[in-house]
Amino acid sequence: AQSVTQLDSHVSVSEGTPVLLRCNYSSSYSPSLFWYVQHPNKGLQLLLKYTSAATLVKGINGFEAEFKKSETSFHLTKPSAHMSDAAEYFCVVSGKGYSTLTFGKGTMLLVSP
Amino acid sequence: GAVVSQHPSWVICKSGTSVKIECRSLDFQATTMFWYRQFPKQSLMLMATSNEGSKATYEQGVEKDKFLINHASLTLSTLTVTSAHPEDSSFYICSAESGDNSNQPQHFGDGTRLSIL
Repeated sequence: AQSVTQLDSHVSVSEGTPVLLRCNYSSSYSPSLFWYVQHPNKGLQLLLKYTSAATLVKGINGFEAEFKKSETSFHLTKPSAHMSDAAEYFCVVSGKGYSTLTFGKGTMLLVSP
Repeated sequence: GAVVSQHPSWVICKSGTSVKIECRSLDFQATTMFWYRQFPKQSLMLMATSNEGSKATYEQGVEKDKFLINHASLTLSTLTVTSAHPEDSSFYICSAESGDNSNQPQHFGDGTRLSIL
């Protein structure tokens, strides 16, 4: 069994300030973890993934996430927010292979000028 | 690479009609495709998993006769919402998984916004 908890439903930041989107997971297997971004009326775009290699994962658009097994966390960060980062972000965990994805409830990132 | 095309992007139709949504993998063969439903301000809920050439596996609570899934080829899966009613209005998203052990995650289409009047 696996589950994902995104701790914040909404996060508001000012343009140019750091972004932190929090995610905790539980999994019976060694998990693979992903962050996806969804813009309005669009599908999901993969930002980054962790698959048991380096614990600090760098993704697209300046995002990165750190896998911390002891804390069962996979928080997403970005040093400086851009207006175009405003979107919904989903933390996702998979078990064996990628056939079973469990989605978090999502965090809406709001970026103000 | 790994592009998934979903069509149509928007559908508005009258109650009682059937609606077909197509999901195509454009540059790879997808042995497994997935259909998700997303209600406003909520996460994605898996509806069913389809494997090419076999019957789809539906998640608990999803009506098989309401949501017909066909995966006739390695590049196309279709979801047909039969006799649609306003409560079927939602955002439907498909994804495709490559079967070549490329260690790639599921690739998502852009979704279909279905509105039943």
